[in-house]
Amino acid sequence: QSVLTQPPSASGTPGQRVTISCSGSSSNIGSNYVYWYQLLPGTAPKLLISRNNQRPSGVPDRFSGSKSVTSASLAISGLRSEDEADYYCAAWDDSLSRPVFGGGTKLTVL
Amino acid sequence: QVQLHQWGAGLLKPSETLSLTCAVYGGSFSDYYWSWIRQPPGKGLEWIGEIDHFGSTNYNPSLKSRVTMSVDTSKNQLSLKLSSLTAADTAVYYCARVDSDGYNRPYFDYWGPGTLVTVSS
Repeated sequence: QSVLTQPPSASGTPGQRVTISCSGSSSNIGSNYVYWYQLLPGTAPKLLISRNNQRPSGVPDRFSGSKSVTSASLAISGLRSEDEADYYCAAWDDSLSRPVFGGGTKLTVL
Repeated sequence: QVQLHQWGAGLLKPSETLSLTCAVYGGSFSDYYWSWIRQPPGKGLEWIGEIDHFGSTNYNPSLKSRVTMSVDTSKNQLSLKLSSLTAADTAVYYCARVDSDGYNRPYFDYWGPGTLVTVSS
């Protein structure tokens, strides 16, 4: 049971905009930054979004993050086939004193 | 460019000890903490713990009794040992570099490719 809650799956067609939600609580998302990671099979996970909405160097501006109170979202616009991957949200949890993750969302590009 | 390479035994029996090593290339080894994170099949990511170049550690309380992390600063390597394995420890294990936000909270900016460890008799 993951501390942060994500939908298990999401899908979209090429060119579409999709959003992935991440729900937490006051002890994690409510009081700390949210991070998003992209996991592709056989490759090193990639930091996509830092500090709620900052894109690390090299991440396309098609990816954007937002946060509101105890929830966060990852938006992917202009969907491409190479975006098909698992996406995880993460945040520090003040009560648990450790980083916590969502259960992951598998994005399918139809 | 920071790169993390990792290796270790992929098939272990219950009660055995998992042993993984992660080598860091590029960037500073001593300026960061380094973490291990795992992903059981079909489940989410779980933070195992972290270590700095002095060997100072922080472990997930749920695994603390079975986890040992160490570093070899001469080789820019970190290692993970997890004892008394059960099938529930079957997972892809990742090493990752720990950076921190302005409030000293950690996040993971570079990751290794992962090592699948299967625990089965």
